[in-house]
Amino acid sequence: GQSLEQPSEVTAVEGAIVQINCTYQTSGFYGLSWYQQHDGGAPTFLSYNALDGLEETGRFSSFLSRSDSYGYLLLQELQMKDSASYFCAVRDMDSNYQLIWGAGTKLIIKP
Amino acid sequence: NAGVMQNPRHLVRRRGQEARLRCSPMKGHSHVYWYRQLPEEGLKFMVYLQKENIIDESGMPKERFSAEFPKEGPSILRIQQVVRGDSAAYFCASSPRGTGDGTQYFGPGTRLLVL
Repeated sequence: GQSLEQPSEVTAVEGAIVQINCTYQTSGFYGLSWYQQHDGGAPTFLSYNALDGLEETGRFSSFLSRSDSYGYLLLQELQMKDSASYFCAVRDMDSNYQLIWGAGTKLIIKP
Repeated sequence: NAGVMQNPRHLVRRRGQEARLRCSPMKGHSHVYWYRQLPEEGLKFMVYLQKENIIDESGMPKERFSAEFPKEGPSILRIQQVVRGDSAAYFCASSPRGTGDGTQYFGPGTRLLVL
């Protein structure tokens, strides 16, 4: 079956760097997306990786290794406003290209 | 350019009633997706629509749930004879392309509470 694994919670200090990992098991992997969701809010698109390597967008970067079925989201210079849940989601060919979502990682940032 | 709009933001229904959730996609987007999210969980895909067509409804329960995206007006997710287990946040997303780069733009969601 299709599954995604990511830690349920990560704690970091303001100004630090944090990495949120995502491993996936899907039959028709097409690409990996990351979304941010604040409590009570809507998911917001952060990044998308279809090819191996690192994609950088400001303080956020996302990495993909297709051979390892693994990706991560890297957040630098953490700010209190980054406290949120972060979801990885796989676009899967065998699921009609729909997004299959992980359960989310709650990022807690301490001053 | 307005984002994805959903209404109502909060909806309370008693068991057995009907719930209608509305979604207006971003301007220029003709692809709409509906998701359901339970507390502390990820989103679960329900249905994917283009104007006047249901493209993929593999994630939507066969009974009581229906969705439409008419030529004019918003997309509607309809839940008939609601039960307590239907209580969840329902998010709508839109995209300019159906199977593009994984970018979907989400609305603020409708929180449905069934008493």
